[in-house]
Amino acid sequence: GDSVTQMEGPVTLSEEAFLTINCTYTATGYPSLFWYVQYPGEGLQLLLKATKADDKGSNKGFEATYRKETTSFHLEKGSVQVSDSAVYFCALTRIQGAQKLVFGQGTRLTINP
Amino acid sequence: GAVVSQHPSRVICKSGTSVKIECRSLDFQATTMFWYRQFPKQSLMLMATSNEGSKATYEQGVEKDKFLINHASLTLSTLTVTSAHPEDSSFYICSGWVVGTEAFFGQGTRLTVV
Repeated sequence: GDSVTQMEGPVTLSEEAFLTINCTYTATGYPSLFWYVQYPGEGLQLLLKATKADDKGSNKGFEATYRKETTSFHLEKGSVQVSDSAVYFCALTRIQGAQKLVFGQGTRLTINP
Repeated sequence: GAVVSQHPSRVICKSGTSVKIECRSLDFQATTMFWYRQFPKQSLMLMATSNEGSKATYEQGVEKDKFLINHASLTLSTLTVTSAHPEDSSFYICSGWVVGTEAFFGQGTRLTVV
């Protein structure tokens, strides 16, 4: 079945450091890929998405590129801020529009000033 | 973005009792709602899909008689964990979805059964 694997956290960085959170997936066909973020005490929010190979999703300085050849969708940010501290989830869906999501286990990110 | 309000955020209950978790879409009508569960250090796993006014569809391995889902209106879905046991302790989260948009998630509920 479909699955998503994220790098295990927690990840702790200093402010202005470069961030990479790895995400790889297993799925047949051409899934859509997502990154969600959960700030403390809040629900999951869509951070960015990509719906086909070589698409790059970007938002709030974060980027991820849909790499079909390596089945990956790694999240990157060039200079993190304390406010980026949250839990990040990689996810996929194969069902167009139904938003039936398969999630990775989440990566907790802490940014120190 | 749209808001989904989920309550309670934390609940502790005694083994054998039932717990109800509410999920409300505050500023949109959710045609479909999803319920997920996350055990420590594991992924969020889809438990069930509910459509307003019809019976929920449960994923394989999820006991429908134990996890009762009601989606009586376009703005409210409830999950009731019946006769809860310690192994039901988990993080439960709902999401609402409308055709043509993204999924919007609640804050989640941390259930502890003692």
